[in-house]
Amino acid sequence: DTGVSQNPRHKITKRGQNVTFRCDPISEHNRLYWYRQTLGQGPEFLTYFQNEAQLEKSRLLSDRFSAERPKGSFSTLEIQRTEQGDSAMYLCASRAPRGRDTGELFFGEGSRLTVL
Amino acid sequence: AQSVTQLGSHVSVSEGALVLLRCNYSSSVPPYLFWYVQYPNQGLQLLLKYTSAATLVKGINGFEAEFKKSETSFHLTKPSAHMSDAAEYFCAVSDNAGNNRKLIWGLGTSLAVNP
Repeated sequence: DTGVSQNPRHKITKRGQNVTFRCDPISEHNRLYWYRQTLGQGPEFLTYFQNEAQLEKSRLLSDRFSAERPKGSFSTLEIQRTEQGDSAMYLCASRAPRGRDTGELFFGEGSRLTVL
Repeated sequence: AQSVTQLGSHVSVSEGALVLLRCNYSSSVPPYLFWYVQYPNQGLQLLLKYTSAATLVKGINGFEAEFKKSETSFHLTKPSAHMSDAAEYFCAVSDNAGNNRKLIWGLGTSLAVNP
């Protein structure tokens, strides 16, 4: 068990460019979450997957944001036409399936986005 | 709707002193409550959680928290602070005790430990 892995850890981009982040959850975890965290704030929920199905999306997730989990394993979060307000830490978390669930979310180390 | 309030965005204690970080919640159903810690440039790590079992919950690194329904509180304590405890601490409540799909987070409390 290598934990939740996110990459890249840091991304600097110019306004208007597209960026994609990847999250590899703990292997047996079927539930995956994306959060966004800005300085001095708690994490804000973005979206939730159970296996490959995206079951919930926050209103924070504008049409420039899209997340996928095509095979129910890794997930990607893409931001199109980035804006300076998108600068934040993007956190991925996974959770064990029913029967082995303790309620705990296991977080990756995050992907920090800076939009110039 | 559920919510979490962390009183005090910054707390400073001396090494060896008691740590008390305050968290109050609002929930229409019996909540699941969590404390997470975040070190600089790192993700969040679970310290402890309350899931309707014992009201006094012990976590890692010597931290514990007590669930008080009458006060809607879940304050985090540690008897003796260590320099390595300096970090950001987040209290969170689940949005659905039976199938919590996401956590509702407080704004965090930054703990500084002075030598």
